[in-house]
Amino acid sequence: SQKIEQNSEALNIQEGKTATLTCNYTNYSPAYLQWYRQDPGRGPVFLLLIRENEKEKRKERLKVTFDTTLKQSLFHITASQPADSATYLCARGPTGRRALTFGSGTRLQVQP
Amino acid sequence: GAGVSQTPSNKVTEKGKYVELRCDPISGHTALYWYRQSLGQGPEFLIYFQGTGAADDSGLPNDRFFAVRPEGSVSTLKIQRTERGDSAVYLCASSSSVAGGTYNEQFFGPGTRLTVL
Repeated sequence: SQKIEQNSEALNIQEGKTATLTCNYTNYSPAYLQWYRQDPGRGPVFLLLIRENEKEKRKERLKVTFDTTLKQSLFHITASQPADSATYLCARGPTGRRALTFGSGTRLQVQP
Repeated sequence: GAGVSQTPSNKVTEKGKYVELRCDPISGHTALYWYRQSLGQGPEFLIYFQGTGAADDSGLPNDRFFAVRPEGSVSTLKIQRTERGDSAVYLCASSSSVAGGTYNEQFFGPGTRLTVL
């Protein structure tokens, strides 16, 4: 089966630093990966999508990379702020099926 | 509405009872998804609707789970003979349909927290 693996340990960083979260997938490369943010008691909120043929995608302070050789996506938040503290979910969506397969998420804590 | 809404926000029931969870997607979104999320885990796919029909129900764990979307808008997830293991947050999401596209972002509701005692 196609799996998404994210570091289950929380990531603690200092305000202003760059946070880097890792998402690894198994088997064949997905057509795309999506990244979501989830706050406690709320549903996930879409952040970025990166396609298999794209190496990098940026949006404001966010950057996502897609390395099909390493079977890995990295999610970066530059100049992190305490308001960035949340759980970040990586999800894969193979072509032809619209349901996403999510990882377990990584909790980010940005200390002021 | 402005976003995806789900009712109730919390549901406590007893083992063996029947429950219904409702989802109101974003107006105009033809695709609707149900997920289940346990503590410390990511959302787990249950079923996907395109319009009124279930395009993919491969995530439903067993025949106690059933979902409908009779008019292509509101959807109801139905769980019969609930078990303690059904306790989780049930999330609904919707997305717009782009011809030939499979890359649409999904908009999630706040979820229904189901507790089976």
